[in-house]
Amino acid sequence: EAQVTQNPRYLITVTGKKLTVTCSQNMNHEYMSWYRQDPGLGLRQIYYSMNVEVTDKGDVPEGYKVSRKEKRNFPLILESPSPNQTSLYFCASSSSGSYNEQFFGPGTRLTVL
Amino acid sequence: GEDVEQSLFLSVREGDSSVINCTYTDSSSTYLYWYKQEPGAGLQLLTYIFSNMDMKQDQRLTVLLNKKDKHLSLRIADTQTGDSAIYFCAEIPGGYNKLIFGAGTRLAVHP
Repeated sequence: EAQVTQNPRYLITVTGKKLTVTCSQNMNHEYMSWYRQDPGLGLRQIYYSMNVEVTDKGDVPEGYKVSRKEKRNFPLILESPSPNQTSLYFCASSSSGSYNEQFFGPGTRLTVL
Repeated sequence: GEDVEQSLFLSVREGDSSVINCTYTDSSSTYLYWYKQEPGAGLQLLTYIFSNMDMKQDQRLTVLLNKKDKHLSLRIADTQTGDSAIYFCAEIPGGYNKLIFGAGTRLAVHP
């Protein structure tokens, strides 16, 4: 089944404790992206990657890191989480064609205390 | 700058039509999208329209695009309780590699 998976689905942590949210897709997509969803703001892009070893900042990259060592994986790293990073996070992937349908993972709900 | 706006809430009676409206700012967007988010789930592409089209129909869904006014609408005919969800309008501005989302419209369907 074609899908985007994220782990964990739920995470409660404390300020300053490094964490990684994993994202994996099995559709051989070149493009992957991370978004955060906050009430009244819709989804905002954090980072994206056009292909292996190619990443770039989105609209709200501060406090986040990403890597793209393999085509299928695109982990999101919070080196020192803060309460303002409490949010719902989505990973998405798409092929590089012009149609650009993005396939979304199920989401990771992160709470930083 | 890039901006997509939509109303935050819509309530309709089961069996009626729902119309969700959206305005966008980037006239160079090639595709415009409607995504659906059910409770506790990720986003799912519902439908899209190419910018050189005025209308697209897909079963109960009708998308209307007014490029002059940069206005996009989604009409759901015979709305059912299973249509209750948040609906996001989105565009990909020319020259960018990201979807710009509206804040989402929460559709509530009541008996």
